[in-house]
Amino acid sequence: SQQGEEDPQALSIQEGENATMNCSYKTSINNLQWYRQNSGRGLVHLILIRSNEREKHSGRLRVTLDTSKKSSSLLITASRAADTASYFCATDGTGRRALTFGSGTRLQVQP
Amino acid sequence: DAGITQSPRHKVTETGTPVTLRCHQTENHRYMYWYRQDPGHGLRLIHYSYGVKDTDKGEVSDGYSVSRSKTEDFLLTLESATSSQTSVYFCAISDREIGSNQPQHFGDGTRLSIL
Repeated sequence: SQQGEEDPQALSIQEGENATMNCSYKTSINNLQWYRQNSGRGLVHLILIRSNEREKHSGRLRVTLDTSKKSSSLLITASRAADTASYFCATDGTGRRALTFGSGTRLQVQP
Repeated sequence: DAGITQSPRHKVTETGTPVTLRCHQTENHRYMYWYRQDPGHGLRLIHYSYGVKDTDKGEVSDGYSVSRSKTEDFLLTLESATSSQTSVYFCAISDREIGSNQPQHFGDGTRLSIL
């Protein structure tokens, strides 16, 4: 089964609003990463948060990590139509050989 | 963007035929990965490589083989394609191993349809 599971599966908001996506995972991790995928394209790395970090910012992105609850959230502030994409969390699990991806959140930002 | 090229970008073939997908990188990264992406499953690891001629299986490796004879090329082969292998295939690269707090960089994928 997937290590990371995103919630919600789909999200539709208006331009200018904030978008929050959540990710839960099952085992211990070295880090957790968020990726964006535009339609028909590959995944693009957004941000990496290490297991000893609780919050990280990058531009309009804010990621939190709660290792006690095995969960993470991605906040996109002041969303734009160009933020329309699927967003995936991926865990770098302790002892694992590769990243484990969740099934993603489809974000639609209405102009 | 990382220099990763996947070919072909689209392919339609028939059940039972062999298929080879190619991933070419210009970053000289040591680690390369093949994933498949299916609705409701996210990305699942098929095979990965940790150096020239060094490969290992992922969680969905049955029916697939890989080869890496040069740093820049990682080939994925379906010896006898089945309809269950219809999917979008992504190649990814990384200059450090898992656990080193480094991201992976992805190609734009190959959409494979097996009729």
